[in-house]
Amino acid sequence: ELKVEQNPLFLSMQEGKNYTIYCNYSTTSDRLYWYRQDPGKSLESLFVLLSNGAVKQEGRLMASLDTKARLSTLHITAAVHDLSATYFCAVDPGSSNTGKLIFGQGTTLQVKP
Amino acid sequence: DAGVTQSPTHLIKTRGQQVTLRCSPKSGHDTVSWYQQALGQGPQFIFQYYEEEERQRGNFPDRFSGHQFPNYSSELNVNALLLGDSALYLCASSLSRDRNQPQHFGDGTRLSIL
Repeated sequence: ELKVEQNPLFLSMQEGKNYTIYCNYSTTSDRLYWYRQDPGKSLESLFVLLSNGAVKQEGRLMASLDTKARLSTLHITAAVHDLSATYFCAVDPGSSNTGKLIFGQGTTLQVKP
Repeated sequence: DAGVTQSPTHLIKTRGQQVTLRCSPKSGHDTVSWYQQALGQGPQFIFQYYEEEERQRGNFPDRFSGHQFPNYSSELNVNALLLGDSALYLCASSLSRDRNQPQHFGDGTRLSIL
């Protein structure tokens, strides 16, 4: 059974600092998603990573995928308070798009001024 | 362009009762997936509907059932409610022929079991 593990689960950081969230998964997949969830809100899609070596950037966030290591990273550059949220990675298991997403536990990011 | 809409937003039930949650997919989407998100956890896949049939199912008991209508909207039914069913239930929609796009999530239904 596919398992998706994120670390850290909680991250408190100062504005202006850099940090990386890690997402490891246990079986083959070449399709990984990052979502953001604000308290009491739904999930907002951030990135879709579809192949080994994929790298995507949006503002202060950059995501990458290494399918051989079964690892994705979400890098935060010069954090600002607005980035405070819970971030989830999700994997679609297997080699085709099944649509059955397996989520990690989430990483709650708190950016302090 | 309406996104994914879910109703109701909140619901309180007692153990043993039955509940129906509703979802309208984003305009143009034909596939609906349901997830259960317990407090402080990531969403867990319940099942997926496409062409009015259940295509995939997660590790949920038969008490959880669903339906998809010809207009692609969907219902999630839960029978014999347990305290452990208290959670946020999320509906997500996607387009079957555009596999490179993410699933779009609704705001969810918060179900509380007393």
